Amino acid sequence: NAGVTQTPKFQVLKTGQSMTLQCAQDMNHNSMYWYRQDPGMGLRLIYYSASEGTTDKGEVPNGYNVSRLNKREFSLRLESAAPSQTSVYFCASSPTVSSYEQYFGPGTRLTVT
Amino acid sequence: DQQVKQNSPSLSVQEGRISILNCDYTNSMFDYFLWYKKYPAEGPTFLISISSIKDKNEDGRFTVFLNKSAKHLSLHIVPSQPGDSAVYFCAASALSSSGDKLTFGTGTRLAVRP
Repeated sequence: NAGVTQTPKFQVLKTGQSMTLQCAQDMNHNSMYWYRQDPGMGLRLIYYSASEGTTDKGEVPNGYNVSRLNKREFSLRLESAAPSQTSVYFCASSPTVSSYEQYFGPGTRLTVT
Repeated sequence: DQQVKQNSPSLSVQEGRISILNCDYTNSMFDYFLWYKKYPAEGPTFLISISSIKDKNEDGRFTVFLNKSAKHLSLHIVPSQPGDSAVYFCAASALSSSGDKLTFGTGTRLAVRP
């Protein structure tokens, strides 16, 4: 039981490049989330998926797209990376969107130069 | 607008003593509060939570206190251990039509000195 896994762990992009961050959970959770963590800002919600087939914007969705591929997988795509997107990205899951406790992956550290 | 605030970026405590981490919030619609613990290079892990209908919740060495009138909560760790050294995030949730989403504070880095 791996919990929530994220790939890659580290990534360096040039401005304008695109990439997809992958997230998978094996806990049969319905809801999944993407956060970014920046110094002095805490964790901010980018997008979430309450259940398979649905996605909604969080607090900071601009510059990102998401896909809930199936119940296990939730990917985050940067179409044209910008230096402001340099951050640590965390994926999380919870049994339902009304379950307060969320389980986090280990994070992806992204640097955009 | 930071709705959940942790005004102390860091805290240093001697092993065996009490650690008190504080959190303030501004949104009166928040009805559930959580503390997460984060080690370097790992994701946050859930530690303890409290509903707004309670003023205290205890789990082993960890106790969370909620003062709704002051919009303040605190996490007490007694006794503190070196393994408690981590960043602690306070989070709050308000039930909405689209489900519960967490709003996180900026974190407090706790260092427990042996």
